[in-house]
Amino acid sequence: QSVLTQPPSVSAAPGQKVTISCSGSSSNIGNNYVSWYQQLPGTAPKLLIYENNKRPSGIPDRFSGSKSGTSATLGITGLQTGDEADYYCGTWDSSLSALFGGGTKLTVL
Amino acid sequence: EVQLVESGGVVVQPGGSLRLSCAASGFTFDDYAMHWVRQAPGKGLEWVSLISWDGGSTYYADSVKGRFTISRDNSKNSLYLQMNSLRAEDTALYYCAKDRRGENTPDYWGQGTLVTVSS
Repeated sequence: QSVLTQPPSVSAAPGQKVTISCSGSSSNIGNNYVSWYQQLPGTAPKLLIYENNKRPSGIPDRFSGSKSGTSATLGITGLQTGDEADYYCGTWDSSLSALFGGGTKLTVL
Repeated sequence: EVQLVESGGVVVQPGGSLRLSCAASGFTFDDYAMHWVRQAPGKGLEWVSLISWDGGSTYYADSVKGRFTISRDNSKNSLYLQMNSLRAEDTALYYCAKDRRGENTPDYWGQGTLVTVSS
């Protein structure tokens, strides 16, 4: 059971929008930046969002991040079949450990 | 281009020991903290350990504390994970990852090395 709570799965049709939530507490999300990672099948995780809402170079603006209080949200617009992947949130915790959410499997119907 | 290449993963018996290595290139290695993160087959990501840029500070997940030791050799641009008293539940793909400065979370990841603990 992860300290950061994500829905196990989400789905939407191509071209639509989806959001993935990540719920934590004041000891982690509430006082630290949140990152989001995409893990395509059989590959290593890739950074999508850092500092809550910033995109690394090369990440399309279809991907967005936000944070409010002790929760964070990843948004993906204009869904493509190539977006099918597992998505993880990550942050630092006051217990001096990094945390990852349990992961959310995105299915593009 | 940042490159992280892990090695050392093998099949080991319960109670055994193993040392993983990660060769880093494409960035100034001794400017950054480094992580180990693992992923059991079919499961999610689990953070394992973090080491500061100079090796002076180390942090561990409770699940590995007292059994695993993270270290680095900045002269060799290399990161290590010494794993002792291995258990079946340590079976996983182990990723080396570069820290995103100031956030204590990874940005770049290697491709991983597989550790299997089995008799």
